[in-house]
Parts: sequence; C-alpha cells; structure tokens
Amino acid sequence: EDKVVQSPLSLVVHEGDTVTLNCSYEVTNFRSLLWYKQEKKAPTFLFMLTSSGIEKKSGRLSSILDKKELFSILNITATQTGDSAIYLCAVEYLAGQNFVFGPGTRLSVLP
Amino acid sequence: DSGVTQTPKHLITATGQRVTLRCSPRSGDLSVYWYQQSLDQGLQFLIQYYNGEERAKGNILERFSAQQFPDLHSELNLSSLELGDSALYFCASSVEQGKIAGNTIYFGEGSWLTVV
Repeated sequence: EDKVVQSPLSLVVHEGDTVTLNCSYEVTNFRSLLWYKQEKKAPTFLFMLTSSGIEKKSGRLSSILDKKELFSILNITATQTGDSAIYLCAVEYLAGQNFVFGPGTRLSVLP
Repeated sequence: DSGVTQTPKHLITATGQRVTLRCSPRSGDLSVYWYQQSLDQGLQFLIQYYNGEERAKGNILERFSAQQFPDLHSELNLSSLELGDSALYFCASSVEQGKIAGNTIYFGEGSWLTVV
C-alpha cells in the first residue's frame, strides 16, 4: 500500500527555535515529493523535490530529499509565530498524477 | 490565490439532504481532485478526474459522486447527508508536466459543509 508517514505529528517550540520535520514514504514509481503549509484553510505549496541531495530553499525554510532512504526533511530556522501551521508532505507516484498525503505535522510556535 | 475556485465557501444543511460543491480548476489544468478533511483529520482523497474522465478513486462513499465537465470544471455531489459528513471539502488541480518533471497540485480554499 502506498503511504506517507510524517513525524512528529505535533510539535511546540518557541520563537527563534529551529525545527526539523520528517517525511518518509513507500510508493510505487516515485515521481516527486511536495511540502505544503496549511494554516486556516487551503494547503499552500512550499516545495517540490525530485532529485536526491539537492536542497530547496525559500527564506527560512529549506528541504532536502533522500531517494535512497525514502525520506525528506523540512527545516525551519528562526521560527516565528506565523510559522504555526500544519505541514503536509505529499508524494506523487506512478505516472498518472497520483498523490498521497501524509497526516501532517502540527507546528505551534509560541512567542 | 492558487487559481482554483470553489463554491460555496460555507454550507449548512440538514441530514438526509443533498448538496453540490463546485470547482473550477486553474487555467490549463486538466486534472481535478476532491479531498475531504474532517476536524483534526488529514486529507482524505476522494476522487480524481482527468480531462473529463474518472482517473482514480479513493475513499469515496457510494452516496457521493462527482463529474468533470467539458469546460473542465467539476462538481461533487453529496447525498443522503449524515452528521459525519460535516467537513472541509477541497478541490485541487494539476497539469501533466510530462514523464520527467513532477507535478504540483494546487488547492482551492475549500467548501465548509456543516450537516445539522
């Protein structure tokens, strides 16, 4: 069964902390891994990763993929209260735009 | 703004009723997906359409059905509604980027359904 696992499921930190969110997957014919941030409503796209070892970076957020070990991490440095959200990991697999989502990591950043 | 439009944004209805949720994908996107997200639950994949045809089916109840029209907009029909159907229903879309590049899926703002 194709699946995506995220850890931790919940995390509480203080502003300024650095956090690492984990995503591991087991899918047939992996194509890409995506990270999303979900605040109050719709998940918004953060990164798409297709190649191992190449870091994607956007401001204080960065992500990297390890296709051999089948996982990805999302790092957030110098966290702010605005980073509080659910972070979703999704994997596209097979050839037909099939996506499977993980359960998400709920991040709470306290002032 | 992702470019995916969903209506209505909020809907309150009684048990046993039927509702239709509507979605317009991003311009040029051929695939439409429907997801259900209940309170404190993850995204549950319901169904995917590609260029008017059903492509993949997830945990969609028999009381639910969907279709994608020639103009690529999609509707999700929910019938014989139960209290447990109260959830946020997301539509998402993507475009086939070819065999090599991965695809990105973009979400609408969701339709919040409350069944009372």
